[in-house]
Amino acid sequence: EVQLVESGGGLVQPGRSLRLSCTASGFTFGDYAMSWVRQAPGKGLEWVGFIRSKAYGGTTEYAASVKGRFTISRDDSKSIAYLQMNSLKTEDTAVYYCTRPPSIAAAGGEGYWGQGTLVTVSS
Amino acid sequence: DIQMTQSPSTLSASVGDRVTITCRASQSISSWLAWYQQKPGKAPKLLIYKASSLESGVPSRFSGSGSGTEFTLTISSLQPDDFATYYCQQYNSYPITFGQGTRLEIK
Repeated sequence: EVQLVESGGGLVQPGRSLRLSCTASGFTFGDYAMSWVRQAPGKGLEWVGFIRSKAYGGTTEYAASVKGRFTISRDDSKSIAYLQMNSLKTEDTAVYYCTRPPSIAAAGGEGYWGQGTLVTVSS
Repeated sequence: DIQMTQSPSTLSASVGDRVTITCRASQSISSWLAWYQQKPGKAPKLLIYKASSLESGVPSRFSGSGSGTEFTLTISSLQPDDFATYYCQQYNSYPITFGQGTRLEIK
């Protein structure tokens, strides 16, 4: 059974950093791309970005709203995907979901989602 | 960026009704469209991918159609478990974008 478990959320001040982790199980982690999607309280879904598998260079794509501040990485030996969030803003407050696309090199059509972790950016 | 526009934003319907939700893309996305269902406090659930392919385990009363810029999600006979918020997602190009959501509520 595929499982994705996010951790690392919490309360952080504006301008500070936070790193989220997504621990995966139930599949060969290195064979898939991994994505992050967020949802601000009471709002819709917003794609954050994704990382391709190492077979496709482990390259990344990001939403404009986070590009240059957020970095997605992966540790295939531990089956963990990371979302490093720097220079956080109050508008980054959201539930952050880790998701797994069906592809090795593309995002979209994610059939597997974690339970989400809440990040609150406030002074 | 490709803009995705869903209509209606809210839909009131009764158990047994046939309902349709529309999603329009600001430019052609071929068939690279997915539909998700989300209930309060839960992660979204994939219903349809590639515009019309039913995800494994999803009831056959859900169907998707369309290509290019116009897409629809149809629920043939609403069940009590279907009252939720629905989102479309384009994955033709990056950044991936979602529609604003359609809240399906009980009439």
